[in-house]
Amino acid sequence: AQSVTQLGSHVSVSEGALVLLRCNYSSSVPPYLFWYVQYPNQGLQLLLKYTSAATLVKGINGFEAEFKKSETSFHLTKPSAHMSDAAEYFCAVSLSSNTGKLIFGQGTTLQVKP
Amino acid sequence: NAGVTQTPKFRILKIGQSMTLQCAQDMNHNYMYWYRQDPGMGLKLIYYSVGAGITDKGEVPNGYNVSRSTTEDFPLRLELAAPSQTSVYFCASSYKDRAEQYFGPGTRLTVT
Repeated sequence: AQSVTQLGSHVSVSEGALVLLRCNYSSSVPPYLFWYVQYPNQGLQLLLKYTSAATLVKGINGFEAEFKKSETSFHLTKPSAHMSDAAEYFCAVSLSSNTGKLIFGQGTTLQVKP
Repeated sequence: NAGVTQTPKFRILKIGQSMTLQCAQDMNHNYMYWYRQDPGMGLKLIYYSVGAGITDKGEVPNGYNVSRSTTEDFPLRLELAAPSQTSVYFCASSYKDRAEQYFGPGTRLTVT
């Protein structure tokens, strides 16, 4: 069975500091993994995805994530936080069920302090 | 492309009333989904569809119904609204299995 755990419901960083949002997954098949961002009062927007090609995936807005099979992790990073990065971030893993369903983590709220 | 559109953006219902949340996509996606999002609870899948005429229950289907008569539209029906259905509702679509989902802007519903 597939599942996703996001460690830390709230993360606070200073502007210019490294952003690290943690995601661990469980999957009985090679996983397809996604990171989404949700700005206040908006829908979810895809940041990046891993679909079994390169293990280091680059996304929009300077974010990237590294797939580590041995650690069953897909952590999201950004070298230098901007105030505009303040949002909620969701990690998701796809089910392999011909339904297109995704399993979402509970989300991590990123606060960026000036 | 407009992507995934949802109407209305906001709605206040009285207990016992009914309403339909509209969702449409213009990307010719076969897969469509309805989620609800409550504070601190992430996204919960209500119903999904893998193509016109085919729908199935998700994690929290009670109190809701759906239909999928066309590829483009996937309306969500609330019958006999209850305060527990106060939430933000998102519609999403996907073009194939194991692909990313594209989300609409959401409908914020309050039941009082």
